[in-house]
Amino acid sequence: KAGVTQTPRYLIKTRGQQVTLSCSPISGHRSVSWYQQTPGQGLQFLFEYFSETQRNKGNFPGRFSGRQFSNSRSEMNVSTLELGDSALYLCASSVGIGGGGTGELFFGEGSRLTVL
Amino acid sequence: AQSVTQPDIHITVSEGASLELRCNYSYGATPYLFWYVQSPGQGLQLLLKYFSGDTLVQGIKGFEAEFKRSQSSFNLRKPSVHWSDAAEYFCAVGSPGYQKVTFGIGTKLQVIP
Repeated sequence: KAGVTQTPRYLIKTRGQQVTLSCSPISGHRSVSWYQQTPGQGLQFLFEYFSETQRNKGNFPGRFSGRQFSNSRSEMNVSTLELGDSALYLCASSVGIGGGGTGELFFGEGSRLTVL
Repeated sequence: AQSVTQPDIHITVSEGASLELRCNYSYGATPYLFWYVQSPGQGLQLLLKYFSGDTLVQGIKGFEAEFKRSQSSFNLRKPSVHWSDAAEYFCAVGSPGYQKVTFGIGTKLQVIP
């Protein structure tokens, strides 16, 4: 069974630009969560999508948005990039919301964003 | 709200020595508890999980963790560390009620020869 796939793996942007990251979950998983990982901050929860609806949201500004498609693939978008947005963005899939009863999340390898 | 505390940001151990990584959680009922490991440049991989029942759980790569309700802890242990265990370890808490999984800040493990 294929794992969680995130694209692109690495990207460099400049301040003010926008970026779109993609996540393909494990087949059969309907929930996709996004996390931002930075040194010293750990994993900060961005949002979770289930059945094309945002179910949970973390404390991030409106510049961070996402969506989920009918095939459960998800994208997140960051507009008007700031230097502080440089981070590893991790996507995790699960059977259901919040890990769907088991709580277990399956992570992709992440998209490393550098903002110059 | 649920929360997780990992009091040790960095830990250094000698290869072959025992290891214990600390984790304390805050949650009103019996939580689901997890330990994940992240190798450099990789995503997170589940090491072990606790839902209910036996408070000592075994995981992959020779790791185990013990749930202690009275101390709100879920410490990760390994009797003999290998150089390949060098990585960052994350404790996490979740439950269907909160519908999300909350991670600790992580503990970076360095293994010296």
